[in-house]
Amino acid sequence: ETGVTQTPRHLVMGMTNKKSLKCEQHLGHNAMYWYKQSAKKPLELMFVYSLEERVENNSVPSRFSPECPNSSHLFLHLHTLQPEDSALYLCASSQVHRTGFGSGDTQYFGPGTRLTVL
Amino acid sequence: AQKITQTQPGMFVQEKEAVTLDCTYDTSDPSYGLFWYKQPSSGEMIFLIYQGSYDQQNATEGRYSLNFQKARKSANLVISASQLGDSAMYFCAMRERGSGGGADGLTFGKGTHLIIQP
Repeated sequence: ETGVTQTPRHLVMGMTNKKSLKCEQHLGHNAMYWYKQSAKKPLELMFVYSLEERVENNSVPSRFSPECPNSSHLFLHLHTLQPEDSALYLCASSQVHRTGFGSGDTQYFGPGTRLTVL
Repeated sequence: AQKITQTQPGMFVQEKEAVTLDCTYDTSDPSYGLFWYKQPSSGEMIFLIYQGSYDQQNATEGRYSLNFQKARKSANLVISASQLGDSAMYFCAMRERGSGGGADGLTFGKGTHLIIQP
């Protein structure tokens, strides 16, 4: 199943670098999400885009900057990161039904980008 | 307070035995969805099963079933006839009706590391 793809799969960067993570979904969904998974912590929601508009930003530091140019693509731009930002970054997508709430809203995840900040 | 609690950090189970992974949740929202995901060592989050708060019957998907006890706010995952390939991290997650117009993030538990032994 390659419904949601993420590139790169692994990334090592210095604190002064600028890099971007890319996510693409092939499921025809209208919402996309960024999550962060740190060691020994639950997954944390970072950003939500619905119909290409950001609907939630969970107090994420400004060194993380999301971009959603269309319903199939989502980016996470990174700059001046800290070592504690090292984590697995997961992208997900779902089909949002504004009049309903059910199993059709299931979020499907990509394989993640393993980020190491030196 | 944690919204999703998974009390079993790790479990060892013999192959072909049934497994129950515990999950309790906390919400005051009458409308919510509960999800279970599997995360192998490769990192991808794989959707397993969904239970809606208004669903009258317990959800089932192949070897997976959800023991939903609404009054106890419990949503345990049952895996029948476990296989070696079931070894992975398992996460319970909840989605509440938030302000995202349907595009709401998931709240995850800390996970259970399941190891199936031959």
